[in-house]
Amino acid sequence: DTAVSQTPKYLVTQMGNDKSIKCEQNLGHDTMYWYKQDSKKFLKIMFSYNNKELIINETVPNRFSPKSPDKAHLNLHINSLELGDSAVYFCASSYGSGGTNEKLFFGSGTQLSVL
Amino acid sequence: RKEVEQDPGPFNVPEGATVAFNCTYSNSASQSFFWYRQDCRKEPKLLMSVYSSGNEDGRFTAQLNRASQYISLLIRDSKLSDSATYLCVVYSSASKIIFGSGTRLSIRP
Repeated sequence: DTAVSQTPKYLVTQMGNDKSIKCEQNLGHDTMYWYKQDSKKFLKIMFSYNNKELIINETVPNRFSPKSPDKAHLNLHINSLELGDSAVYFCASSYGSGGTNEKLFFGSGTQLSVL
Repeated sequence: RKEVEQDPGPFNVPEGATVAFNCTYSNSASQSFFWYRQDCRKEPKLLMSVYSSGNEDGRFTAQLNRASQYISLLIRDSKLSDSATYLCVVYSSASKIIFGSGTRLSIRP
C-alpha cells in the first residue's frame, strides 16, 4: 500500500490553464505539506497543513491554493499556469503537528510541464 | 550566504571506498537535523536523524558539530546501491524547514 500517493504523476499543460494535483496519505499523520523542486533540485516548502489548518504558507504566488478537505488529503490547485511553474511537486506528511523533530514521508512527485 | 549549503559533487568513488560529505548551516538556533536520500527522479526518503553525540546506522555515520555549524555523513564500504543524491535538512523552527541542494554520489564498480 502506498503511504503518500499523489496524482497525476505527469502533467503537461498550456500556459494560462488551471490544474490540480491531488495528495492522499494513509499513515494517519496529522500534518501534510507541499514542496516544489525546481530544475536546480532545490526543494522548497510551499504549504503545510495540520489537521486541515494552514500552518505554513511560504511566499508563494496566490495562484497556488491548497485545499485540505480532511487530514488525509491535501490538494494543490494552480490557476493561470506560467512557464516558471514547471517543476516537480512533492506532497509529504509527518506524524505530529509539524514540529522540529518530525520525519517527512514524501509522495512520488508530480512532474509539471507548462508549455 | 545560503541557509544550508552542500557541496553539489558529484563524488565519484569506487565500490568499497569510504566517502564523507558535509553540510553547513547559517542559523545557530537551528534545532534538528536530518539526512535524506533522493534517487534520480524519485522522492526523498529519510536516511537518518543527526544527533550531537553522533549516530550510526550500519555503514552510515552522521555527526553534528554545533560550534562549527555543520553536519556530516560518512559512508563506509560503499555499495553501488548507495549512488544517489544526499540531502541535508535543517529545522530552524517548526515553520522553517530548509533542504540543502544535495550532494550527488556515484559509486563505480
